[in-house]
Amino acid sequence: GQNIDQPTEMTATEGAIVQINCTYQTSGFNGLFWYQQHAGEAPTFLSYNVLDGLEEKGRFSSFLSRSKGYSYLLLKELQMKDSASYLCAVPSPPGNTGKLIFGQGTTLQVKP
Amino acid sequence: GAGVSQSPSNKVTEKGKDVELRCDPISGHTALYWYRQRLGQGLEFLIYFQGNSAPDKSGLPSDRFSAERTGESVSTLTIQRTQQEDSAVYLCASSLSGTQYFGPGTRLLVL
Repeated sequence: GQNIDQPTEMTATEGAIVQINCTYQTSGFNGLFWYQQHAGEAPTFLSYNVLDGLEEKGRFSSFLSRSKGYSYLLLKELQMKDSASYLCAVPSPPGNTGKLIFGQGTTLQVKP
Repeated sequence: GAGVSQSPSNKVTEKGKDVELRCDPISGHTALYWYRQRLGQGLEFLIYFQGNSAPDKSGLPSDRFSAERTGESVSTLTIQRTQQEDSAVYLCASSLSGTQYFGPGTRLLVL
């Protein structure tokens, strides 16, 4: 089966950098997704990593280490609008069209 | 283009009543998913439709829950004899090649 762990809450200051970690245990692996979810809204896609390394997309970057079962989302130059929950998810069974197993989400609060 | 839409956006019902939730996926998306999200929790998989294949119902929590999909279009999630623990946001997502795109959800409150 799959097990995904994320910190429950994080706080950071506007303009700073924050790293949100996700560890996973899966019986097979075919990629890891990050979604952003503002309160009361639908999750929106941020990134999909299938190979090891860092992928950068503007202020947001996502990193994957398959050997360590570890990923992180890096948010730079934090803005107040980045206050949201960040969800880590892996497909189950491995494959990119099946259901997603989500972590509990990390609620990030950005303070002035 | 239009995203995933869901209706109603909010639903308040009494315990024991049946409810129907609707999802209109992105046109052309062959896969459709239903998830449930309780307050402050992550998303919990319910059911998955892929083309004409038999749906993956492994996440449905009880036989009070069922879902149908017409071809590669609209899906309906039905909850019979609702219970207070069914109160949650029900999210629908669709995909074509892996990335799932979510609708705004239906907020269900069972009194």
